[in-house]
Amino acid sequence: EAGVAQSPRYKIIEKRQSVAFWCNPISGHATLYWYQQILGQGPKLLIQFQNNGVVDDSQLPKDRFSAERLKGVDSTLKIQPAKLEDSAVYLCASSRQTLQETQYFGPGTRLLVL
Amino acid sequence: AQKVTQAQTEISVVEKEDVTLDCVYETRDTTYYLFWYKQPPSGELVFLIRRNSFDEQNEISGRYSWNFQKSTSSFNFTITASQVVDSAVYFCALMDGANNLFFGTGTRLTVIP
Repeated sequence: EAGVAQSPRYKIIEKRQSVAFWCNPISGHATLYWYQQILGQGPKLLIQFQNNGVVDDSQLPKDRFSAERLKGVDSTLKIQPAKLEDSAVYLCASSRQTLQETQYFGPGTRLLVL
Repeated sequence: AQKVTQAQTEISVVEKEDVTLDCVYETRDTTYYLFWYKQPPSGELVFLIRRNSFDEQNEISGRYSWNFQKSTSSFNFTITASQVVDSAVYFCALMDGANNLFFGTGTRLTVIP
């Protein structure tokens, strides 16, 4: 079974530019998560989707971050405009539909904002 | 509020030594799940184990073992006969009743050959 796929793996941009990350969850997983992991910290949830609907986006900085999962499979996370403090690893995870299922993570995208 | 504390920031051991990674959690939920993940230098979080709050049985999987004690709100992870490939950052996490996953700050384990 293929794992969670993410691209790109690395991205370097200048502040105020925009960037987008892509995630393809494990086949059949209805729930998809985006996490931000700042260096030296544990991952923190940004947004959770159930199929193509948002379950929780309370921690998403909506003035600059947006995410979508239009067909209930792939998802895109966008930052516009980026700030220096957005430098982090962005992790995508997926789980089966039922509550309190194990989340499986992708390799992440390392973003550096200069 | 949910909280996970991993007091050990970094640990170094010599290969073949045993090592225990500590995890202490706080929650008011009666039903919750505890997890351990491994993050090697490649960056991917690798799932290791999941435990629910009603199952305090310890678990052993090869060189890995986990000790869950509700009385002390701890879920410690022991690696026996450590190997260089065990070098990674290890995260303990708590999942609440709303499916939210809360991570500790991680423990960086370095196994010296």
